Amino acid sequence: KAGVTQTPRYLIKTRGQQVTLSCSPISGHRSVSWYQQTPGQGLQFLFEYFSETQRNKGNFPGRFSGRQFSNSRSEMNVSTLELGDSALYLCASSLVGSSGSSTDTQYFGPGTRLTVL
Amino acid sequence: AQSVTQLGSHVSVSEGALVLLRCNYSSSVPPYLFWYVQYPNQGLQLLLKYTTGATLVKGINGFEAEFKKSETSFHLTKPSAHMSDAAEYFCAVSDRGTGRRALTFGSGTRLQVQP
Repeated sequence: KAGVTQTPRYLIKTRGQQVTLSCSPISGHRSVSWYQQTPGQGLQFLFEYFSETQRNKGNFPGRFSGRQFSNSRSEMNVSTLELGDSALYLCASSLVGSSGSSTDTQYFGPGTRLTVL
Repeated sequence: AQSVTQLGSHVSVSEGALVLLRCNYSSSVPPYLFWYVQYPNQGLQLLLKYTTGATLVKGINGFEAEFKKSETSFHLTKPSAHMSDAAEYFCAVSDRGTGRRALTFGSGTRLQVQP
């Protein structure tokens, strides 16, 4: 079974631009979560999508948004990029059972490395 | 809010020596606990997790961790380090019983293995 895929793997943008990152979960996984990883702040939760609905959101400004499609693929968008948005953005998918338990393992993709100049 | 503390941002061991990576959490209700490993330019790979039951959990690549409620700890160990274990290790927690799957991560421990 193919793992979580993220495109593109590397991206360079300039301040003020916007960017869209894509994530394809493992087949059958219905939950997709996004995380930001930076040397200064470490790994931080951005948001989770399940059944095309945002279920949870981390403490990030409204410039960060996302969506999920009916095939569970997800995109995240960052508008009006700032230098501090330079980071590795990780997507994780999990198989959500009928109980919706948070014990489900999150499987991570390789990430998209965004550089903002 | 939950928090996770990993003592030691860098740990260096000799090949064949014991690996001990420390993780403590702060939460009034014991959370679900995870250890992930990250190799350079890669995503995170789950080593092991504790949700319920036996407090000593065995994972992949010879790693294990023990949940100690009284110490609010979930330290990761491996009896004998291998060169291939050099990587960054993250302890993470998620809420128990809420269905909220967001992971809160520690700051990570970079493991160096000396020949």
